[in-house]
Amino acid sequence: EDKVVQSPLSLVVHEGDTVTLNCSYEVTNFRSLLWYKQEKKAPTFLFMLTSSGIEKKSGRLSSILDKKELSSILNITATQTGDSAIYLCAVASNTGKLIFGQGTTLQVKP
Amino acid sequence: DTAVSQTPKYLVTQMGNDKSIKCEQNLGHDTMYWYKQDSKKFLKIMFSYNNKELIINETVPNRFSPKSPDKAHLNLHINSLELGDSAVYFCASSLTRTEAFFGQGTRLTVV
Repeated sequence: EDKVVQSPLSLVVHEGDTVTLNCSYEVTNFRSLLWYKQEKKAPTFLFMLTSSGIEKKSGRLSSILDKKELSSILNITATQTGDSAIYLCAVASNTGKLIFGQGTTLQVKP
Repeated sequence: DTAVSQTPKYLVTQMGNDKSIKCEQNLGHDTMYWYKQDSKKFLKIMFSYNNKELIINETVPNRFSPKSPDKAHLNLHINSLELGDSAVYFCASSLTRTEAFFGQGTRLTVV
């Protein structure tokens, strides 16, 4: 059965810290890996990764995919309280399905 | 301006009732989805439609029936609601092979 596993499940840090969130997957017909941020309501898209080893960056957030290890990491540098959210990793298969991990709840304290 | 919109945002109903949730997207996407997010925040796919055709049905009880009258709409009808149906239901849409955009969610509470 396809599965996506994220770690840690929850994380508490202080403003200014750097965090690394992990995602590993076992999905047949892998097409891409996506990261989403969910605050109070809808998950909002962060990154889509299809090629191994190519870092995607947006401000203080960056992510990279390792297809050999079937994993991805999401880094957030100089964290701010506004980064507090649930970070969701999802893998898209060629059948069109998005399989989500259980999420990492990040709390950034002032 | 809302890209993916769902109605209602909140729904409280009694066990045994039938209810519908509507979803519309104005992004010109060809694929639409329904996801269920449980109390542990785990998002699980229920259905996916591509150009009005059902392409994914993830062993959802047949009390749940999606209907796609056109590419921009995917509604979810639920018969004989049960306590375990309480969750947040998200509609999403995408172009084939691109990221999915989510609606704001419908919080369904069955009492």
